[in-house]
Amino acid sequence: ETGVTQTPRHLVMGMTNKKSLKCEQHLGHNAMYWYKQSAKKPLELMFVYNFKEQTENNSVPSRFSPECPNSSHLFLHLHTLQPEDSALYLCASSQDSSWSSGANVLTFGAGSRLTVL
Amino acid sequence: QQPVQSPQAVILREGEDAVINCSSSKALYSVHWYRQKHGEAPVFLMILLKGGEQKGHDKISASFNEKKQQSSLYLTASQLSYSGTYFCGTEYSGGSNYKLTFGKGTLLTVNP
Repeated sequence: ETGVTQTPRHLVMGMTNKKSLKCEQHLGHNAMYWYKQSAKKPLELMFVYNFKEQTENNSVPSRFSPECPNSSHLFLHLHTLQPEDSALYLCASSQDSSWSSGANVLTFGAGSRLTVL
Repeated sequence: QQPVQSPQAVILREGEDAVINCSSSKALYSVHWYRQKHGEAPVFLMILLKGGEQKGHDKISASFNEKKQQSSLYLTASQLSYSGTYFCGTEYSGGSNYKLTFGKGTLLTVNP
């Protein structure tokens, strides 16, 4: 497979459930990201990992817990979510996350559509 | 601080032109443009880094003004395949961490 792959594509969960979203990239990139996309809102950056180290946590509630075991894999662990957390969660990767020409161009996955009941 | 995109939506007939604007209240380090088709991943179109820069591919081009506070995306002789939501993402000068902030998007619909 090539590009950025996200699983599952659709997920329905109750507020007391625990689930995880998975992201895998086959591009040899060193930076990975989680974005939240809600209707009529801009893409919201949640977390950034660069060379497996978390470099950004954009004030995300602790019910979202990221994990980056290596530069190719990124997880988002979900527990005790709220209905307002229902959204499309997009994973992305880039060469790295530094300030240089073209190095942080994002390649997105198709997203995981989450519905919290 | 998120950039402001305009218009929010535009409907075209095939072959017509469109301009999408992305504005910031302060100078930017770079502007990225992405397109997302319904149910698909956003796809990178181009990045602009220098004031006064213009860049293009086929019939889609973009500019970055001298003050680096506004970028415009130009779609010329639109095709049905151009339909989708266009996002600009902006980076600000200064700060040690990467933070690409996106606008709300512009929904472009091209009809036959």
